[in-house]
Amino acid sequence: QITLKESGPTLVKRTQTLTLTCTFSGFSLSTRGVHVGWIRQAPGKAPEWLALISWDDYKRYSPSLKSRLTITKDTSKNQVALTMTNMDPVDTATYYCTHRVDATHTGGLWGYWGQGTRVTVSS
Amino acid sequence: QSVLTQPPSVSGAPGQRVTISCTGSSSNIGAGYGVNWYQQLPGTAPKFIISSNNNRPSGVPDRFSGSKSGTSASLAIAGLQAEDEADYYCQTYDISLSAWVFGEGTKLAVL
Repeated sequence: QITLKESGPTLVKRTQTLTLTCTFSGFSLSTRGVHVGWIRQAPGKAPEWLALISWDDYKRYSPSLKSRLTITKDTSKNQVALTMTNMDPVDTATYYCTHRVDATHTGGLWGYWGQGTRVTVSS
Repeated sequence: QSVLTQPPSVSGAPGQRVTISCTGSSSNIGAGYGVNWYQQLPGTAPKFIISSNNNRPSGVPDRFSGSKSGTSASLAIAGLQAEDEADYYCQTYDISLSAWVFGEGTKLAVL
């Protein structure tokens, strides 16, 4: 059974750096074809993909946020972390950790989602 | 503004069939990428329910079906039930943006 759970601060101030951790079980991020991603959803808005890290340490970022994002993995701890710098109130959203299985680094679906963690950015 | 266009809302009576459209372009759906659909109930995470090739995870009833043609895709829900009332999002990959993209969502109301 695959589960993912996000953790991190619920409130950050403008210009601060946000670090979120995803702790997962039921799969290994060292298995070929396995990817973990971060997707966020602002209140009342559609989901927005942020970043992906793959079993081979391949990394991909949203072009519009690339300069602010860093994704890393700790395979031994079954964790993936996302860092977002220079936070702004427009970054207020629920941040989800997600799982994907695909032989390629493009396309495909996000089959499993964590419960999400709500992050509010104050001005 | 999303690269995938969905109607803001659709509605139907219990037992009816409804469809939700998702229109993209040659850099995403038209480039051959599959389209995936997610259902989001209030206060919960989006849940993958079906893809355009009708790949459906276990537990999702076969009342849900997906299709794709050209630069568009559709989600059909037959035998509408009250529990189907939710937000639905389409998702694919955009080769020009090098990013996974979502539609803006469609709110389904069961009358």
